[in-house]
Amino acid sequence: AQKVTQAQTEISVVEKEDVTLDCVYETRDTTYYLFWYKQPPSGELVFLIRRNSFDEQNEISGRYSWNFQKSTSSFNFTITASQVVDSAVYFCALSEVNTDKLIFGTGTRLQVFP
Amino acid sequence: DAGVIQSPRHEVTEMGQEVTLRCKPISGHDYLFWYRQTMMRGLELLIYFNNNVPIDDSGMPEDRFSAKMPNASFSTLKIQPSEPRDSAVYFCASSPGIAGVDEQYFGPGTRLTVT
Repeated sequence: AQKVTQAQTEISVVEKEDVTLDCVYETRDTTYYLFWYKQPPSGELVFLIRRNSFDEQNEISGRYSWNFQKSTSSFNFTITASQVVDSAVYFCALSEVNTDKLIFGTGTRLQVFP
Repeated sequence: DAGVIQSPRHEVTEMGQEVTLRCKPISGHDYLFWYRQTMMRGLELLIYFNNNVPIDDSGMPEDRFSAKMPNASFSTLKIQPSEPRDSAVYFCASSPGIAGVDEQYFGPGTRLTVT
C-alpha cells in the first residue's frame, strides 16, 4: 500500500538558516510520482514540484532544492537561506501510475522567525 | 486564468441543515477532486471526477455526502444533513491530464463550521 511519512511535525528556524524537510514514502510500484505542495497561512495549497520514479536527478529552483533517493525511498526538500515568507505547512505526496489518487503526508509546519 | 474557484469561502450552519459547496475548475482540466482537511485526519480525498464522470467515491464518509458534476465547469459537494463532525476545510482541485501524473491545482477552500 502507498504511504507517505513526514516525521517532522513542526520546524522552527531563524531567517537565513537552511532547513530540510524530510519525506519518506512506501510503494510497491516501480512507476510512481512524488510531489511537494506548500500551504501558506492563507490556506490554499500551492504546487511546488513533481518528480517521476525514473528521474533521480536533484532539482534546484532558486532557494528550493529537492533530493530524490530511491535507495532510501526519500524525497527531501531543502530551503536555503530561509525567509519569513517560507513559513507554511509543506506536504509531500505520492501517486502510483495505476491509480489517479494523491496520497498526502501529514505535513510539516515550518516557522521562519525574523 | 482565474484558477480553481470555490464558493462560499466560509459557511456556518446548524446541525441538520443542508450544505452545498461549489467549485469551478480551471478551464480545460479533465479531472476534478474534492478533499477534506481536518487537524485529526489531514487531507483526505473524498471523490474525484474524470470528464464529469465520478470515478472513485470511496472516500466519501457517509451517505450524507454527495457530489455532482453536471458539466465541465461546475461541481457541487452536498452534505445533508450536516453534523458538527463535518466541520473542516473542503478543497476542490483540478488537474489537466492524467490525475496521478499531472499536478493538481487547488482552490482556496471552503471553511465549514457546523454548530
